Amino acid sequence: DAKTTQPNSMESNEEEPVHLPCNHSTISGTDYIHWYRQLPSQGPEYVIHGLTSNVNNRMASLAIAEDRKSSTLILHRATLRDAAVYYCILRGGTSYGKLTFGQGTILTVHP
Amino acid sequence: DTEVTQTPKHLVMGMTNKKSLKCEQHMGHRAMYWYKQKAKKPPELMFVYSYEKLSINESVPSRFSPECPNSSLLNLHLHALQPEDSALYLCASSQTSVYIQYFGAGTRLSVL
Repeated sequence: DAKTTQPNSMESNEEEPVHLPCNHSTISGTDYIHWYRQLPSQGPEYVIHGLTSNVNNRMASLAIAEDRKSSTLILHRATLRDAAVYYCILRGGTSYGKLTFGQGTILTVHP
Repeated sequence: DTEVTQTPKHLVMGMTNKKSLKCEQHMGHRAMYWYKQKAKKPPELMFVYSYEKLSINESVPSRFSPECPNSSLLNLHLHALQPEDSALYLCASSQTSVYIQYFGAGTRLSVL
């Protein structure tokens, strides 16, 4: 599986936007970029995914670089409930059924 | 309803015990998964079931034995575990194995 690189930790203030970066320089043409997050004492939850175009949903936005070697998860207004570990995962045709989690980014949100 | 229910929430067992973890979903999903998560580490895939058949076993020791009795239920049978097997065990399900995965809250296992 292609590897992703994320910062170990980031901090934000409540109600401010948060940009969580992910590098994936060895991404293949069929790899989708998935983001999951894991709140304290819970299982991971799906946030968003995309292939080439930027994506928006009720939770977040995903901005994908034109060369697809990096992407950014955008939380438009962070809340205390968004404090979690955020995982950027590449999922391609050969990873059938597999989610390979990297170390993720620990997001701390300050009141 | 996007809920995956895992029981028990906590389990303490000795190295000679036999116990089982249970996972249930009622979303009509046909793929189910077991993951293991050690403290401060990311989840690691153990097993994948697709249409009630084991499709992926990530070289997990035989003291972990998965079972999928029907499309809604997934069990993980534990026998002769070691203290290093203490971890959070997460279950997930998805519509099929290429779709978004929904996770349960996990079973926190301690092996004494």
